[in-house]
Amino acid sequence: GQQVMQIPQYQHVQEGEDFTTYCNSSTTLSNIQWYKQRPGGHPVFLIQLVKSGEVKKQKRLTFQFGEAKKNSSLHITATQTTDVGTYFCALSGWSARQLTFGSGTQLTVLP
Amino acid sequence: DAGVIQSPRHEVTEMGQEVTLRCKPISGHNSLFWYRQTMMRGLELLIYFNNNVPIDDSGMPEDRFSAKMPNASFSTLKIQPSEPRDSAVYFCASSRDSGSPLHFGNGTRLTVT
Repeated sequence: GQQVMQIPQYQHVQEGEDFTTYCNSSTTLSNIQWYKQRPGGHPVFLIQLVKSGEVKKQKRLTFQFGEAKKNSSLHITATQTTDVGTYFCALSGWSARQLTFGSGTQLTVLP
Repeated sequence: DAGVIQSPRHEVTEMGQEVTLRCKPISGHNSLFWYRQTMMRGLELLIYFNNNVPIDDSGMPEDRFSAKMPNASFSTLKIQPSEPRDSAVYFCASSRDSGSPLHFGNGTRLTVT
């Protein structure tokens, strides 16, 4: 079955520092989605990447899909305390229509 | 636009009791998913429906778990009998179609003592 590795598991940063989380798949993907879950909350959709090498930006967040469509990254520039939460990648393979979620990266931003 | 609605928000029950979790997906969404989240195992897909039909239930832990979707606006996840290891947050999510972004409900936090 489809396997996904997300690293790091935890990340503590000082407010203003940058943050990156990585997601790697064992198989080529049709698309990848990113979600954010605040403490005590539910996952909220951030973005979907479909094309090889695609880069999308949302304010301070930059999302990238690898050329081989087997990996992705989420980069946050100049973190703020509002960025605190767990960031999940979710993979959709060519044969499976349901999403497989990564283990998530829990981000703590120290003021 | 109402989001995915789950009930109850919290459920505390004793081992051996039956538990029923409920979900109302977003109107117009034809895919519905049940996930379970724990610290140890993360977000696990239990089952998903497309147009009210169960498509993949390979994630359902065992026969104690069952899910139904009698119509496009309602789904249930039932655990009978419940066990302490079932304690988790159960999320329902819906999407416009399979492969589209998921909209999650607020979840049901289940504690089985």
